[in-house]
Amino acid sequence: NAGVTQTPKFQVLKTGQSMTLQCAQDMNHEYMSWYRQDPGMGLRLIHYSVGAGITDQGEVPNGYNVSRSTTEDFPLRLLLAAPSQTSVYFCASRRGFSYNEQFFGPGTRLTVL
Amino acid sequence: QQQVKQSPQSLIVQKGGISIINCAYENTAFDYFPWYQQFPGKGPALLIAIRPDVSEKKEGRFTISFNKSAKQFSLHIMDSQPGDSATYFCAALNTGTASKLTFGTGTRLQVTL
Repeated sequence: NAGVTQTPKFQVLKTGQSMTLQCAQDMNHEYMSWYRQDPGMGLRLIHYSVGAGITDQGEVPNGYNVSRSTTEDFPLRLLLAAPSQTSVYFCASRRGFSYNEQFFGPGTRLTVL
Repeated sequence: QQQVKQSPQSLIVQKGGISIINCAYENTAFDYFPWYQQFPGKGPALLIAIRPDVSEKKEGRFTISFNKSAKQFSLHIMDSQPGDSATYFCAALNTGTASKLTFGTGTRLQVTL
């Protein structure tokens, strides 16, 4: 199993550009989520999904869109990139909603100029 | 509103010493408390977790102590080693809802020789 994979690993955008961060998991996990990590702020939840076709907002959803058309994939879209979105983004997945381990991808480091 | 408060922000411990990281929570509906370990350039990985029906859980050199009445839990790393140098995140989960894992702000641990 590859686990949780993310692409790209690094990305530089200009303000106003758009892009999609890709996330995939091969563990047939129902629950997937996106976090951003900023110094001193910990991991903050952006969006999450409890299954294909179902998504919901987390703590910091503004400026981001998600969709979940398959169990495996959960892309994160930045519509109009802003310097405040400079961060490290992590995708995660978990089997079910109970006491199961949440697995994280390796992260995408995004810089918005 | 920070639901899980973590301290200290950084910690320097000598090799062989005990590292202690503390977390406090407000939401009494939380019923699962994992700790994650993150090395530079990597995604967080589950280290150890506890449910509130026990006061302590030990796995090797790592121990979680849990105080339900005080709504606090802590991670103790015994015989700390340079390889333990990483960022540690506490987290909390309410398994009865949409299972959004809430993280503390992280503690950067450095174990010196």
